[in-house]
Amino acid sequence: EPEVTQTPSHQVTQMGQEVILRCVPISNHLYFYWYRQILGQKVEFLVSFYNNEISEKSEIFDDQFSVERPDGSNFTLKIRSTKLEDSAMYFCASSINRQPQHFGDGTRLSIL
Amino acid sequence: DQQVKQNSPSLSVQEGRISILNCDYTNSMFDYFLWYKKYPAEGPTFLISISSIKDKNEDGRFTVFLNKSAKHLSLHIVPSQPGDSAVYFCAAQIQGAQKLVFGQGTRLTINP
Repeated sequence: EPEVTQTPSHQVTQMGQEVILRCVPISNHLYFYWYRQILGQKVEFLVSFYNNEISEKSEIFDDQFSVERPDGSNFTLKIRSTKLEDSAMYFCASSINRQPQHFGDGTRLSIL
Repeated sequence: DQQVKQNSPSLSVQEGRISILNCDYTNSMFDYFLWYKKYPAEGPTFLISISSIKDKNEDGRFTVFLNKSAKHLSLHIVPSQPGDSAVYFCAAQIQGAQKLVFGQGTRLTINP
């Protein structure tokens, strides 16, 4: 069964550094998403991407965040200058239509 | 953000019996609801969904019930199996929007 793959599984970064999280969505999917889950909290929506542009974003997704689909297969989330509070599990998801969204196994981001 | 609530953090059920997981929501604009299952170190896996035009949807051992007047949905698993032990999230989506709003999750343990 096709799946969403995310790399790396764990990323450790110094505060203030830039980090790029990578995702390969399911190949025939058209909608792409990033969510995050801070330890002990709910899964929170960050951004959705469709037709090569951001279609929806949350208040969390500020100027420090950006997304890109650099080629036909990858979907990336960049955090420009990481803060301690960016430490979380970051999940990528994709879908053919609005739903259902299929999730990857996540990248654990640890900011030191 | 308390729009989607799962009030039971945990539930323990005997193998072979019925598991009932509950979810309440406050936003009457939600028109689509999903249940996800999550194992440790994995991403959420889509289980079953229901549109607000229905009150029941069934897929094998899994049935989701929606009570719009009470703003309540439930997931029934019957019979429960040890492999069902996981964290279950309900999620909701507003018509026309792409983001999913998640509940806090309920940890289900199936005892042999």
